Formats: sequence, structure tokens, C-alpha cells
Amino acid sequence: DIVMTQTPLSSPVTLGQPASISCRSSESLVHSDGKTYLSWLQQRPGQPPRLLIYKISNRFSGVPDRFSGSGAGTDFTLKISRVEAEDVGVYYCMQTTQFPLAFGQGTKLEIK
Amino acid sequence: QVTLRESGPALVKPTQTLTLTCTFSGFSLSTTGMCLSWIRQSPGKAPEWLALVDWEDDKNYRTSLKTRLTISKDTSKNQVVLTMTNVDPVDTGTYYCARGLWAGMDVWGQGTTVTVSS
Repeated sequence: DIVMTQTPLSSPVTLGQPASISCRSSESLVHSDGKTYLSWLQQRPGQPPRLLIYKISNRFSGVPDRFSGSGAGTDFTLKISRVEAEDVGVYYCMQTTQFPLAFGQGTKLEIK
Repeated sequence: QVTLRESGPALVKPTQTLTLTCTFSGFSLSTTGMCLSWIRQSPGKAPEWLALVDWEDDKNYRTSLKTRLTISKDTSKNQVVLTMTNVDPVDTGTYYCARGLWAGMDVWGQGTTVTVSS
């Protein structure tokens, strides 16, 4: 089974400053069709997770452009260009390339 | 508008079977490419993917729970049902259904909280 590992587990950030979260998979996430099915989700307190980014770098509908994703193979990054108060929550990477599907352990974004 | 709603018992006793229903609207699970998953989350922990059923009725399960889980769909009722046998207190958590696969899990229900306790 693929294991997803995120760093850091906690990220205190000043409002208006950038934030970056890394995600590493134990195996390549390149599917046999050549695409890479790595997504990022945000979970605010008391809410279900919400899709932000899919296939490494595609922003889901309605997601602000301050969120961006990058990476390839086994190493991926979510960046927030300028953190806003509403960005507080836990961020998860998730691989949907291979069954069983898997989430990272989460990165808690908090404001300093 | 696409919506998902989970339902099921709030409390189950250890060793019993848990049955959860996801009722959805705004799309058909018969449409090519459509998939629906069950995902659970214990308090303060990351989500755990449990099972998925797709438009061709193919099913996949979490490795460690494969012997205890069954996922099924009723396309006419727009429902997906998850059964988990022989529940234990460690199965306590919030259970979500979510749509999607390759383009990410794009729609989630609000979740249903299940407590396993005698």
C-alpha cells in the first residue's frame, strides 16, 4: 500500500506571508495512463474536507488563485502565496492513483 | 446541485454490524467515470479511505478492513450502502461519503458520527 507523508505537521504562519506544505509518497503516483492523481484538501474545524487541487496542480472550482500545487513522481508541494485568516485548518494530500487510496497525516496551518 | 447525505445509527454495540447509507442527488452513479467512496475520520486524526464503488459496480476496499466491509450501490434509489461487520470501539468516528476519484474527491457529505460502545 502507498504511504503518504506530509511535512511539516504544524505550520505557524503570519497573515499575508506565504506557506508551503510538502507531501511525499512511498511509490511513484504516475498512473499507467501517464497522469498523476495527487490532490490536496483543506479541512476547517467542524467541516468535512474540501477539495482544493487535483492532478498535482489543477485548482478546483472556486478555489482562490493564492493556492497552487506542484511536483512530480513522489514529491509534491502545496503553496499558499499569502495566507489569509480563512486558510486556518488542516491540509491533507491524497493519492488516488492506486488502490487502496491514501491520505497524508495532515498539516495544521495556524496563524502566529 | 450535487449533494451527498450520510445516515445511520449514532450508537452501535461492539461485535454488531454497522450499516451506513449515502443518499445522493445531482448526478448518476451510472455515468461513466462516476465513483463514490466511504471515508472515516477519528477525532484529531487524518481521514481514512474505506471503500469505493464505481459506475461499473467495481469495488475496492481498505486492505486492513477488507474482510469486514461491503459496499453496494442502488442506482435506482441514488444510494450507496456500506456495511461493516464486527465493529469495535476503534471504529468510532465520523463517516463521510465522497464523490470522485481521478479529479479528486470533489463533493463530500457532512458526515455521520458513529460511536461504538456497550
